Amino acid sequence: QQQVKQSPQSLIVQKGGISIINCAYENTAFDYFPWYQQFPGKGPALLIAIRPDVSEKKEGRFTISFNKSAKQFSLHIMDSQPGDSATYFCAASKETSGSRLTFGEGTQLTVNP
Amino acid sequence: DARVTQTPRHKVTEMGQEVTMRCQPILGHNTVFWYRQTMMQGLELLAYFRNRAPLDDSGMPKDRFSAEMPDATLATLKIQPSEPRDSAVYFCASGKRDRGDQPQHFGDGTRLSIL
Repeated sequence: QQQVKQSPQSLIVQKGGISIINCAYENTAFDYFPWYQQFPGKGPALLIAIRPDVSEKKEGRFTISFNKSAKQFSLHIMDSQPGDSATYFCAASKETSGSRLTFGEGTQLTVNP
Repeated sequence: DARVTQTPRHKVTEMGQEVTMRCQPILGHNTVFWYRQTMMQGLELLAYFRNRAPLDDSGMPKDRFSAEMPDATLATLKIQPSEPRDSAVYFCASGKRDRGDQPQHFGDGTRLSIL
């Protein structure tokens, strides 16, 4: 019930393309879905987050799409750039209880020039 | 830019030794988290504090790990005695309660190797 499954494990995209990373969760009590970006040797950085009262959230080139009935959410990176090459983690939690974030396994994104 | 500061960045020591990792959260943040990252287990929450009080340390092996916040500007994670399986990157993160009890800013981690 606590798992968050992330796919793909790795992704290679050409510069200017769209990167799409998917996550699926099991616990219907989850109400907070963040994405983190991690560069080698650095800690994860909160990129964008969504709550289930909306189906989409956009910040610049990054968009989260959320499908509550399917218990899935995805990160779309538009106009992908080599500087976007990093590992991306989705996560989920029941925010109001202050409970722990459950992280996905991570997706290593490489954007080729 | 405000940031979470962790020291040391790297630590290599022999098994059985005590290891202390330190974290300075962002000023004004009242929630502090300790995470461990390994290839096999990914990111795991070890402990988290709100207003310096421990709220959840169920992810931490209690027999050898301890986490404290002696004051609002310092969080510590200790391992005694250390074991090779403790080798990992340990991250501290902080956040503000009014943004939910979630880690918003991570430090760059302490890379720990136990020989």
